[in-house]
Amino acid sequence: DVKVTQSSRYLVKRTGEKVFLECVQDMDHENMFWYRQDPGLGLRLIYFSYDVKMKEKGDIPEGYSVSREKKERFSLILESASTNQTSMYLCASSEGQGMGEQYFGPGTRLTVT
Amino acid sequence: DQQVKQNSPSLSVQEGRISILNCDYTNSMFDYFLWYKKYPAEGPTFLISISSIKDKNEDGRFTVFLNKSAKHLSLHIVPSQPGDSAVYFCAARKYNFNKFYFGSGTKLNVKP
Repeated sequence: DVKVTQSSRYLVKRTGEKVFLECVQDMDHENMFWYRQDPGLGLRLIYFSYDVKMKEKGDIPEGYSVSREKKERFSLILESASTNQTSMYLCASSEGQGMGEQYFGPGTRLTVT
Repeated sequence: DQQVKQNSPSLSVQEGRISILNCDYTNSMFDYFLWYKKYPAEGPTFLISISSIKDKNEDGRFTVFLNKSAKHLSLHIVPSQPGDSAVYFCAARKYNFNKFYFGSGTKLNVKP
């Protein structure tokens, strides 16, 4: 069974803090993704990576950066957290190009006060 | 500009009846479609998929229908069960692209 784990289920941070969200997958997947989920907006892609040290911007990359130093780990960084980044953050992974689905982690509920 | 749309934010169905969730897309380059189910405080889990070379795919109580000319897909759940109550997302991707486009979700409530 594919397992995608996220470092925290719930996180509360203050405005201006630097925030790290970690994601680890155990299936040797090439692709990893970070989404945020907000009511009425569904899942919006922040960044994705198709290989170690490679990254591509998604639909809403502003205010975020990512790091992928190892194949199994993909980190999302909020350089200076703001209240509009309060959201559910979901990490996902998938195999290389082909008809495969994405496997999601349990999510991190981030609140920025 | 959302390329995948779920126009019904919620749906309520009686246990045992059919649930029909709908999804529309705008990009004719999409060739692979998926449905995910999400419970509160959990990540989405894959439910069923369909390739554009098919118009129907069935897995137990779940059937996905694809109408390429209308750029429309639907998920049928028969019979609906209370445990099916969740948010359902449809998603689409273009051939050989790793990026998925998700709809905004439909919250299904199956009443006992």
